[in-house]
Amino acid sequence: QKEVEQNSGPLSVPEGAIASLNCTYSDRGSQSFFWYRQYSGKSPELIMSIYSNGDKEDGRFTAQLNKASQYVSLLIRDSQPSDSATYLCAVNRGGFQKLVFGTGTRLLVSP
Amino acid sequence: ETGVTQTPRHLVMGMTNKKSLKCEQHLGHNAMYWYKQSAKKPLELMFVYSLEERVENNSVPSRFSPECPNSSHLFLHLHTLQPEDSALYLCASSQDSTNGRGYTFGSGTRLTVV
Repeated sequence: QKEVEQNSGPLSVPEGAIASLNCTYSDRGSQSFFWYRQYSGKSPELIMSIYSNGDKEDGRFTAQLNKASQYVSLLIRDSQPSDSATYLCAVNRGGFQKLVFGTGTRLLVSP
Repeated sequence: ETGVTQTPRHLVMGMTNKKSLKCEQHLGHNAMYWYKQSAKKPLELMFVYSLEERVENNSVPSRFSPECPNSSHLFLHLHTLQPEDSALYLCASSQDSTNGRGYTFGSGTRLTVV
């Protein structure tokens, strides 16, 4: 079992729709969760972090965490073509920060 | 200059060459990392340095040799690489804490071994 699993996609949504990206993790001791956006040929950029169960909103982005189900998701409202990228889920297992990444989900937003 | 800077951006080297990748962070962070990113695979953690001390070496072949002379600089020395080592090498930094604030990545070095 992979430590962090994501559907590789691509996930295709029309402009203006809600994009829902999902991630599961295997280590119940995980404490911090992150979403990174990576454009083609560029390095990952941190867009959201979440540490406790529930929802966390930042602009058009909402991160959701359910530790009982070992599940974290990212919702992007009013999706724009500029949101087209690969979204990486990362998990910190606690203590010294060492992030484990999923393979990423490729999102395509069509005009 | 701000953030995390990596040089060079692109590197082509032969299997018998020796080269070094450089990373510099201007964020006052106390931890630095090397990751390898290959196509269709998740980011692979290679080395972790905290306060200039190596705290993790993820079974990386000895042809990769890290160096952290101070908390702002990190190097990855390369020698006798193999074609399968071709990848994007990413440096990152963070402020170490149990809460975890995520990393800031550099732009990466695209390495091609011929």
